[in-house]
Amino acid sequence: AQKVTQAQTEISVVEKEDVTLDCVYETRDTTYYLFWYKQPPSGELVFLIRRNSFDEQNEISGRYSWNFQKSTSSFNFTITASQVVDSAVYFCALSEGGSNQGGKLIFGQGTELSVKP
Amino acid sequence: KAGVTQTPRYLIKTRGQQVTLSCSPISGHRSVSWYQQTPGQGLQFLFEYFSETQRNKGNFPGRFSGRQFSNSRSEMNVSTLELGDSALYLCASSLGQLDTDTQYFGPGTRLTVL
Repeated sequence: AQKVTQAQTEISVVEKEDVTLDCVYETRDTTYYLFWYKQPPSGELVFLIRRNSFDEQNEISGRYSWNFQKSTSSFNFTITASQVVDSAVYFCALSEGGSNQGGKLIFGQGTELSVKP
Repeated sequence: KAGVTQTPRYLIKTRGQQVTLSCSPISGHRSVSWYQQTPGQGLQFLFEYFSETQRNKGNFPGRFSGRQFSNSRSEMNVSTLELGDSALYLCASSLGQLDTDTQYFGPGTRLTVL
């Protein structure tokens, strides 16, 4: 069965600290997709990144970086030099390939990140 | 390009009533998915529509239904509301390719059932 686990419910850091959000997933499929979304207090989920199961290259986008490791079924997200504007709930999500899985994202419980000035 | 829009943004209903929520996808997107977000259960998939057909469905009772129109706009309906239906309902749109593509979310409709 598909499952996404974000063990960290809440994280609090001081501005400029680096922070890593953990995500562990379970799936029996060989083709799958992993996502990170950010949910600020306004409620809208903002897409951050998508990774497919065949692409294990790490990705960096500005202060954000992602570490995908199939061997440990993890897709961790690091924010470098955190800022107050990074405060939000972050969700990791999984989707399996195949036409019958279209549109179905399995979300983790989310990690609430609080960045204090 | 305009993002996903949802109306209304807030709604208050009483138990037993029914409610209809609306979602307009990003222009060119043909797939619309609906999710329910609650503090206890988190984000859960309700259903997905593509080309006016329900393509995938989550584990929700039949009181939850939806439809999609020819312009890809979608509505979801909840009948005989229960207190536990209070939630943020999020709609997401995507191109709808068979291989999973990225879903972009709207701001949500916050439903309160009294």
